[in-house]
Amino acid sequence: QVQLVQSGAEVKKPGASVKVSCKASGYTFTSYGISWVRQAPGQGLEWMGWISAYNGNTNYAQKLQGRVTMTTDTSTSTAYMELRSLRSDDTAVYYCARERGLELNAFDIWGQGTMVTVSS
Amino acid sequence: DIQMTQSPSSLSASVGDRVTITCQASQDISNYLNWYQQKPGKAPKLLIYDASNLETGVPSRFSGSGSGTDFTFTISSLQPEDIATYYCQQYDNLPVTFGPGTKVDIK
Repeated sequence: QVQLVQSGAEVKKPGASVKVSCKASGYTFTSYGISWVRQAPGQGLEWMGWISAYNGNTNYAQKLQGRVTMTTDTSTSTAYMELRSLRSDDTAVYYCARERGLELNAFDIWGQGTMVTVSS
Repeated sequence: DIQMTQSPSSLSASVGDRVTITCQASQDISNYLNWYQQKPGKAPKLLIYDASNLETGVPSRFSGSGSGTDFTFTISSLQPEDIATYYCQQYDNLPVTFGPGTKVDIK
């Protein structure tokens, strides 16, 4: 079946980096985009950015520009999100989500989420 | 950035009740509006896309309407399994933005 499976929980110190993976299966990876969305504890949903799995084009949320990088490995159908210079307010569940098509759209398939805790 | 507001922020209703949530965008977003359901500890689930289209496999008691700046999400007959937080989301302009959510529970 169509699914996105994310890497496991991470605990990082302030200033460190984290890289979360999102492995796709059950569909043609390069025919869709992937967005990353995060959710701080008890809070709402925040879009972080998008990557086209077709050509690697990206668009990042302005507040994360310079700290986030999204990439894909088409040979393994895996998307990655790296966040650098971590702060305590980056503590959140990070989700990858498939777009309904190549461009920004509705998020029809979601990963299970990866908890990232930033603490000294 | 386009700001999304939702009302109410929470509601309690009885099983079988009709439940309505509204979502307002700070500018015209045409019909580029989606609705998600999120249960505690779970990833969000797409229910409605492009304002009024029911995602495959989603029960028909869920519906959406609206265009421009004002949108409505309805559960025609609330079921116990509908207890969740519901979010609207626009994708007309970057950055994609979500509403703050509406928490629905059973009275």
